[in-house]
Parts: sequence; C-alpha cells; structure tokens
Amino acid sequence: GQNIDQPTEMTATEGAIVQINCTYQTSGFNGLFWYQQHAGEAPTFLSYNVLDGLEEKGRFSSFLSRSKGYSYLLLKELQMKDSASYLCAVEDGTTDSWGKLQFGAGTQVVVTP
Amino acid sequence: SQTIHQWPATLVQPVGSPLSLECTVEGTSNPNLYWYRQAAGRGLQLLFYSVGIGQISSEVPQNLSASRPQDRQFILSSKKLLLSDSGFYLCAWSVPPDREDTQYFGPGTRLTVL
Repeated sequence: GQNIDQPTEMTATEGAIVQINCTYQTSGFNGLFWYQQHAGEAPTFLSYNVLDGLEEKGRFSSFLSRSKGYSYLLLKELQMKDSASYLCAVEDGTTDSWGKLQFGAGTQVVVTP
Repeated sequence: SQTIHQWPATLVQPVGSPLSLECTVEGTSNPNLYWYRQAAGRGLQLLFYSVGIGQISSEVPQNLSASRPQDRQFILSSKKLLLSDSGFYLCAWSVPPDREDTQYFGPGTRLTVL
C-alpha cells in the first residue's frame, strides 16, 4: 500500500510563489502525478515525474526525490484562478497494481488579492 | 482528440434504490478505465479499474459493481444504495503503454443519497 501526505490548506497572495509538498511511502513506485481540481469540477492533469529532478511547465514546476519519497509542486506568479485543490498521486509500480494511482487528500490553495 | 463523457451530472436517490452511472470515451481504443469516488473533503478513492472488455478489478469491498460491455463504455451500478454512497463519482481513462500512463478524468457525477 501507499501513504500520501500533503498539507490541508495554504494561503498566498496574488503574484507570489507557493510550494506544495507531498511525501509518500510506497511498496512500489512508477511515477508521481500532480492534478489541479477546482471546486465542483474534475481533476485536470498538471505534471508527471518519474526521475529525480525538476520538471518545468510555464508557471508550474514539479520536483521529485525518489530516495526521500518527496515531491513538491511550485506555483509561480500566482493568479486568482489558481485557487483550487492540488492533488498528489503516486502510481504503484508493483506487478498486480500496474497503472493504479493512490491519491493524497489534496491541498487547498487560496489566493488572496 | 479524446473526450470522456459521464452522465448524469447530478443525481439524488433514496436509500435502497438502484444506481447506474455511465461513462464513455471517444477518440481512443483499448483504454484502461477507472471509477473513483471522492467524498466531501476527502481524497480520490479508486473503486474499480478495467484493462479490457469484461475485465473488472475491484479495489474495495462495497455494494457497488462495475461492468464494461464495450471497449469504451464503463458502467457503475448498485442494487441498493446506502447513505455512505453519496459522493462525487469520477470516471477516468488512460492509454498504456503511454510513457506517462496519465489518467484523464471525466466531468463527474455528483450523487446524493437521502
């Protein structure tokens, strides 16, 4: 099984930077995903990390350290529309669990003017 | 491009009534399909996944069942709903062996059991 931990809520000001941490304990690992979910809507894919290091996509970056069981999502130049829940998910790499994701409870980011 | 549909968008059902939620995917073949439930303030819980027609794996014991009668159709059912079945039900698809095996979600069905 897997345990995925991330903070419940974070608040930041428009234009600022916020870093959302995610730690995981796994029996297998085949990659880590970040999703964004606005209230009442479905999650949308943001990023994927399978190797150690930083992946950058515009204002969003995601980092992975497999040895530490740690990832973070970095949101730069925050905009009001970035107010949402951010979900960390780990893909189990064990044979009978191929392709399955275990999700954290999500971090609610509140962007204030 | 690929699209995923779910219906209905919202549903209010009495305890003990049956349930049928449908999910269809367009623009891809042989997808992996998934059913998740998200209770209020909780994370996504994987309920079922399917790698092909008629192939269903259940993740948690419950009074729900799933079926895949066609390649791009996934159905979630229950014979008798419980109050605890209330939640946001999400269908997702992925296409292995895509490098990322990313899962993409449908718009969801919000179910309230009274």
